[in-house]
Amino acid sequence: EAQVTQNPRYLITVTGKKLTVTCSQNMNHEYMSWYRQDPGLGLRQIYYSMNVEVTDKGDVPEGYKVSRKEKRNFPLILESPSPNQTSLYFCASSWGGRSNEKLFFGSGTQLSVL
Amino acid sequence: AQTVTQSQPEMSVQEAETVTLSCTYDTSESDYYLFWYKQPPSRQMILVIRQEAYKQQNATENRFSVNFQKAAKSFSLKISDSQLGDAAMYFCAYRDTSGTYKYIFGTGTRLKVLA
Repeated sequence: EAQVTQNPRYLITVTGKKLTVTCSQNMNHEYMSWYRQDPGLGLRQIYYSMNVEVTDKGDVPEGYKVSRKEKRNFPLILESPSPNQTSLYFCASSWGGRSNEKLFFGSGTQLSVL
Repeated sequence: AQTVTQSQPEMSVQEAETVTLSCTYDTSESDYYLFWYKQPPSRQMILVIRQEAYKQQNATENRFSVNFQKAAKSFSLKISDSQLGDAAMYFCAYRDTSGTYKYIFGTGTRLKVLA
């Protein structure tokens, strides 16, 4: 089944404790991206990657890191989480640039930073 | 910079009636994609409909259709024969076809369907 697998679904942590949210897709998509969703703000792009070893900042990259060492994986790293990073996070992937372009989303990670 | 605006934080519609959700955007590009995504309480993001800017014909998917006005930079979603399962948050999104592949989402409209 074609899917984007994101883990964990829920995560509670404390300020300053490094964490990683994993994202994997099995569709051989070139494009992957991370978003955070906050009430009243919609989804905002954190980082995106157009292919292996190619990443770029979105609109809200501060406090986050990403890497794209393999085509299928695109982890989101919070080196020193802070309470303002409490949010719902989504990973998404797509073919990129095709006429039937669409984003395939993971099931989301609800992160709480205490 | 491109922006997407959804000016209706919340809308209500009676079951079986028609409702229109508004979306406006700002861009200097001539070629781009526009999308409507649905997010039900399960929080899964589901593509409802997609419009390519170079196509003048409005996209339609079953009960869902759009009114795409390129000159006015408007992209509204019409839901006909509303069903209880249509209750969700709806997000309008934009992606230009330049090399960046950046997506920009609106702030969302929460749709309530009344039985």
